Amino acid sequence: EAGVAQSPRYKIIEKRQSVAFWCNPISGHATLYWYQQILGQGPKLLIQFQNNGVVDDSQLPKDRFSAERLKGVDSTLKIQPAKLEDSAVYLCASSFESSSGNTIYFGEGSWLTVV
Amino acid sequence: AQSVTQPDIHITVSEGASLELRCNYSYGATPYLFWYVQSPGQGLQLLLKYFSGDTLVQGIKGFEAEFKRSQSSFNLRKPSVHWSDAAEYFCAVATNAGKSTFGDGTTLTVKP
Repeated sequence: EAGVAQSPRYKIIEKRQSVAFWCNPISGHATLYWYQQILGQGPKLLIQFQNNGVVDDSQLPKDRFSAERLKGVDSTLKIQPAKLEDSAVYLCASSFESSSGNTIYFGEGSWLTVV
Repeated sequence: AQSVTQPDIHITVSEGASLELRCNYSYGATPYLFWYVQSPGQGLQLLLKYFSGDTLVQGIKGFEAEFKRSQSSFNLRKPSVHWSDAAEYFCAVATNAGKSTFGDGTTLTVKP
């Protein structure tokens, strides 16, 4: 079974530039998540989708971050304009509901450095 | 809102020694609990999970964890650590809606 795919793996941009990350979840997984992981910290949820609807985006800095999942499968996370503090790993994850609860599966992450 | 505390930022153990990583959680309902491992440059890999039933759960790579409701803990253990276990370990608590909150991780160093 293919895992969660993310691209690009690494990106370096200057502050005030924009960047977009793409995620393809595991086939059949209705729930998709974007997490931000700053060095030395645990992942922090940015946004959670159920199919193509937003379940939780309370931690998403909406003045600069946006995310979409138009057809309920792939998702894109955009940052515009980027700030130095956005340097982090952006982890995409997906899950499906089962009788034993939701287990979240993570991609390898997109590493962003803002200079 | 739920929260997770991993009291130990960094732990060093000798290869072959036993390991215990601590995790305390706060959540008003029955928690779903997870341990993940992250190697440098990699995403998070699920080690084990607790949803219900037996409070001692077995995971991959010889790890186990015990859910103690009275102590709000879910500590991870391994009887004999291998050099390849050196990584960062994250504990997480999730709601039944699938929202997970992670601790800040414990970095494990294994001495030869």
